[in-house]
Amino acid sequence: DAGVIQSPRHEVTEMGQEVTLRCKPISGHDYLFWYRQTMMRGLELLIYFNNNVPIDDSGMPEDRFSAKMPNASFSTLKIQPSEPRDSAVYFCASRGGGHGTDTQYFGPGTRLTVL
Amino acid sequence: AQKITQTQPGMFVQEKEAVTLDCTYDTSDQSYGLFWYKQPSSGEMIFLIYQGSYDEQNATEGRYSLNFQKARKSANLVISASQLGDSAMYFCAMRAGGFKTIFGAGTRLFVKA
Repeated sequence: DAGVIQSPRHEVTEMGQEVTLRCKPISGHDYLFWYRQTMMRGLELLIYFNNNVPIDDSGMPEDRFSAKMPNASFSTLKIQPSEPRDSAVYFCASRGGGHGTDTQYFGPGTRLTVL
Repeated sequence: AQKITQTQPGMFVQEKEAVTLDCTYDTSDQSYGLFWYKQPSSGEMIFLIYQGSYDEQNATEGRYSLNFQKARKSANLVISASQLGDSAMYFCAMRAGGFKTIFGAGTRLFVKA
């Protein structure tokens, strides 16, 4: 089975530009998570969805960040406008539902550099 | 408040020896899950092992075992027979308060030949 797929793997953009990160969860998984990893703050949960509905977005740093999940197989994380401090690795993870399937499986991440 | 603490920024272990990576947690929830992930230098996050708060037996997955001491709120990872490929960052994580998951700061493990 294919794992979590993220694109692009690397993104370099200039301050002020819009950035869109994409994620395809594992088929059949009903939870999707977006994380950000930086040296200073470690791994932080930004937002998570259940059955395409955002459940907790308390980790989204500010209004410049938005996330959508239009269907069960696709999610986006958008930053508009981007700033240098947004430079980080962004991970998407998915989890299957039901008892005994608590594990989140991560995608390879998108390394974002904002100049 | 939920919290995960990994107090060892870096650890060294000799190849073929066992090593324990420490993790303590804090939560007021009765139902929670504890995880360990490995992050090699290539950057991906690899799931290693999971322990549910109601699981009475310690979880094991191959060379990995989770030493779960609920009263002490600790969930240490034990790697037996270390291999050079085990050199990586290791993160302890906790799911509590729904599915919100928090991660510790990580421990960098160096395996010496």
